[in-house]
Amino acid sequence: NAGVTQTPKFQVLKTGQSMTLQCAQDMNHEYMSWYRQDPGMGLRLIHYSVGAGITDQGEVPNGYNVSRSTTEDFPLRLLSAAPSQTSVYFCASTRPGTSGTDTQYFGPGTRLTVL
Amino acid sequence: AQSVTQPDIHITVSEGASLELRCNYSYGATPYLFWYVQSPGQGLQLLLKYFSGDTLVQGIKGFEAEFKRSQSSFNLRKPSVHWSDAAEYFCAVSLPNTGNQFYFGTGTSLTVIP
Repeated sequence: NAGVTQTPKFQVLKTGQSMTLQCAQDMNHEYMSWYRQDPGMGLRLIHYSVGAGITDQGEVPNGYNVSRSTTEDFPLRLLSAAPSQTSVYFCASTRPGTSGTDTQYFGPGTRLTVL
Repeated sequence: AQSVTQPDIHITVSEGASLELRCNYSYGATPYLFWYVQSPGQGLQLLLKYFSGDTLVQGIKGFEAEFKRSQSSFNLRKPSVHWSDAAEYFCAVSLPNTGNQFYFGTGTSLTVIP
């Protein structure tokens, strides 16, 4: 079990460029999420998905797109990168537990710098 | 407004001393509660969680947390801190029946001195 994997680990973009952050999980989890982590602000939810074909916005969705064509993959797209999107991005997955939401498992993160 | 508050940005303790990290939440219903730890350059690792039942929950690495409904708090404790506990600690909540929307506090950075 690889758990939650993210690629790339590091990325530098120029303003206006687009790119896709990849996230995959091999635990057959229905739920997947993307967060960004900025100093002093904790983790903020960007987008999430409760199953293949279903996505929704979190706290800070502007400038990001997601899709969920398979259970395993949940890519995050930056349409036109801006310096404000410089951050560390974490992908997470979970399965709905008997009490509601179960534990989230996090990937190792992608450190993105936008110049 | 709904929120998760960790009032201590940074805490320094001596190795062997006890530790308490504070977490308060502001939601209409009792959420599911979590504590995560993040070592430098790493992802987040779950320490413990509370869904229901016994309000004192035990976690990994000797940590425990107590849910106090009257105070809307879920403070993390450890009786004797080890140098390897130095890390960033995040409190998080998940609201029942909202899919997997998690909300995190801003974190508490722990330094352990010899």
